[in-house]
Amino acid sequence: RKEVEQDPGPFNVPEGATVAFNCTYSNSASQSFFWYRQDCRKEPKLLMSVYSSGNEDGRFTAQLNRASQYISLLIRDSKLSDSATYLCVVIHNAGNMLTFGGGTRLMVKP
Amino acid sequence: DTGVSQNPRHKITKRGQNVTFRCDPISEHNRLYWYRQTLGQGPEFLTYFQNEAQLEKSRLLSDRFSAERPKGSFSTLEIQRTEQGDSAMYLCASSFAGSGAKNIQYFGAGTRLSVL
Repeated sequence: RKEVEQDPGPFNVPEGATVAFNCTYSNSASQSFFWYRQDCRKEPKLLMSVYSSGNEDGRFTAQLNRASQYISLLIRDSKLSDSATYLCVVIHNAGNMLTFGGGTRLMVKP
Repeated sequence: DTGVSQNPRHKITKRGQNVTFRCDPISEHNRLYWYRQTLGQGPEFLTYFQNEAQLEKSRLLSDRFSAERPKGSFSTLEIQRTEQGDSAMYLCASSFAGSGAKNIQYFGAGTRLSVL
């Protein structure tokens, strides 16, 4: 079993739709949580950190449930430019090495 | 450009050859990480440095792989006797680790290796 599991998708949604991605992690000692975005053949870029209280950045909302070891990302009012792979990432050690999920691919259609 | 820089961007080599990649981190960052990503997968950790010290290596880093960061600035990743299974994108990331720092990792554009 992978340490960080994501549904690979693809999620095909129309512009303006709301879409949610989920991620589960197996290491209960995980300390920090992030969503990264990766465009095709490009490097991952930090989208947002995820906090226990939940946090929002514009159209994006991230939630963390430590008891269930579950992280979510909600995208409202999807844009064509949101089409990308979304990577769930956890850190569970002092070296801060990132452990990535396999990514969820989103395709927003006109 | 003050981001993480990686060279070369692409490398095609024949099986059995040695290759070396370079990463120049963001200048004030004291940590430097190497990851490998294959098609359809998320990046996987290989190794990391704090300043010039290599502090951890993944079991993925076989004895054919070696990484250095001699002066605590740029880093090199060398693969000896390349195999077709080494074909992947090699990503470098850097961060600043210190009191109060968020230690966010910023990635370079990667070096895509193809072993024929």
